Amino acid sequence: AQKITQTQPGMFVQEKEAVTLDCTYDTSDPSYGLFWYKQPSSGEMIFLIYQGSYDQQNATEGRYSLNFQKARKSANLVISASQLGDSAMYFCAMREGWNQAGTALIFGKGTTLSVSS
Amino acid sequence: GAVVSQHPSRVICKSGTSVKIECRSLDFQATTMFWYRQFPKQSLMLMATSNEGSKATYEQGVEKDKFLINHASLTLSTLTVTSAHPEDSSFYICSARDAGRGSGANVLTFGAGSRLTVL
Repeated sequence: AQKITQTQPGMFVQEKEAVTLDCTYDTSDPSYGLFWYKQPSSGEMIFLIYQGSYDQQNATEGRYSLNFQKARKSANLVISASQLGDSAMYFCAMREGWNQAGTALIFGKGTTLSVSS
Repeated sequence: GAVVSQHPSRVICKSGTSVKIECRSLDFQATTMFWYRQFPKQSLMLMATSNEGSKATYEQGVEKDKFLINHASLTLSTLTVTSAHPEDSSFYICSARDAGRGSGANVLTFGAGSRLTVL
């Protein structure tokens, strides 16, 4: 079964508008961490935002916010005031048992975001 | 912040040759590093977990004899693609976590990736 599901292969948004990228996850571990990374065409992986399973408040980092709905197991990324430079592939990822140093990230299939002027 | 350097960024080789990719943590020590593989427009698939001073742990379906991983020091892990074939052409990315920050360090830092093309 998929651990991380991103149902939107591609999303289109106009500059200055907000966009929501969907992510749902599946785990039975009570401790986990959720991450969003951005991958531009150059291939580098850029960390955007993190949400721990025990965090009471939704994470925010500048124009990025994570809409964490634990009961629904969703961790959607909201990008406010989109910019042309936001065009990239976006990956949702999870690490189960986030206190364990040796645990890798599991990635979703990604969403390609295209921002137009 | 934590920096992971990956080299080479691009490599083209002939079928049957071996290629080594290096992953270095520049300003922190990493007892564990992770190697991922990514095909165009697809997700990152975990290949193996590299542990300093011990054998790597490979994911199901990844041939350990083809993808040799060595983690000889706290700052260096290498991936060697042995007897490469065109189907091994892919984007390989390493990542590491700052061991010195203990369990509070949740963010994995990624290298810039290595694009391997096997002719």
